[in-house]
Amino acid sequence: NAGVTQTPKFRVLKTGQSMTLLCAQDMNHEYMYWYRQDPGMGLRLIHYSVGEGTTAKGEVPDGYNVSRLKKQNFLLGLESAAPSQTSVYFCASSYRGGLIYEQYFGPGTRLTVT
Amino acid sequence: ELKVEQNPLFLSMQEGKNYTIYCNYSTTSDRLYWYRQDPGKSLESLFVLLSNGAVKQEGRLMASLDTKARLSTLHITAAVHDLSATYFCAVLQGAQKLVFGQGTRLTINP
Repeated sequence: NAGVTQTPKFRVLKTGQSMTLLCAQDMNHEYMYWYRQDPGMGLRLIHYSVGEGTTAKGEVPDGYNVSRLKKQNFLLGLESAAPSQTSVYFCASSYRGGLIYEQYFGPGTRLTVT
Repeated sequence: ELKVEQNPLFLSMQEGKNYTIYCNYSTTSDRLYWYRQDPGKSLESLFVLLSNGAVKQEGRLMASLDTKARLSTLHITAAVHDLSATYFCAVLQGAQKLVFGQGTRLTINP
């Protein structure tokens, strides 16, 4: 199993450009998440999804959109990138049910907006 | 609103010493997670603590949870250089979301 994978690993954008980050998981997890990590601030939740076709806002959703058309994929879009969106982005997934609710993280995407 | 605070944020210690990282959270939760992150890498799960009084140990690391005090600790025994990393605690909010602490950057010097 590949677990959680993210594409691309690195990207440089100019202000105003758009892009889509792809997250894929092969663990048949219902829940998927997008976080951003900035120095000294830990991880902050951008958007999440509790199932195919559903999405919800997290702590810092402004400037981002998401879609979950297939259970295994969760896309994060930036329509008009801003320097404040320079960050490392992590995707995660988790199983619904059980006791643990543990999240499994992808390798991250390092995005720089100039 | 759930807030999670770790201290210290930076910790430099010598090999062979013991130390503790603290994780406080502001509202009730009965799931707490500890992760390790090496520079430029993703998060690696260390411990999942499910109930009050839970204690888990793996090698030189031991984590505990006191839900009444809303406090978790990560204790490092006889530190070795390989434990240098950033450690995060995270608390489950509802059934779906994790709220992370700021992270503790641990440096262990020979």
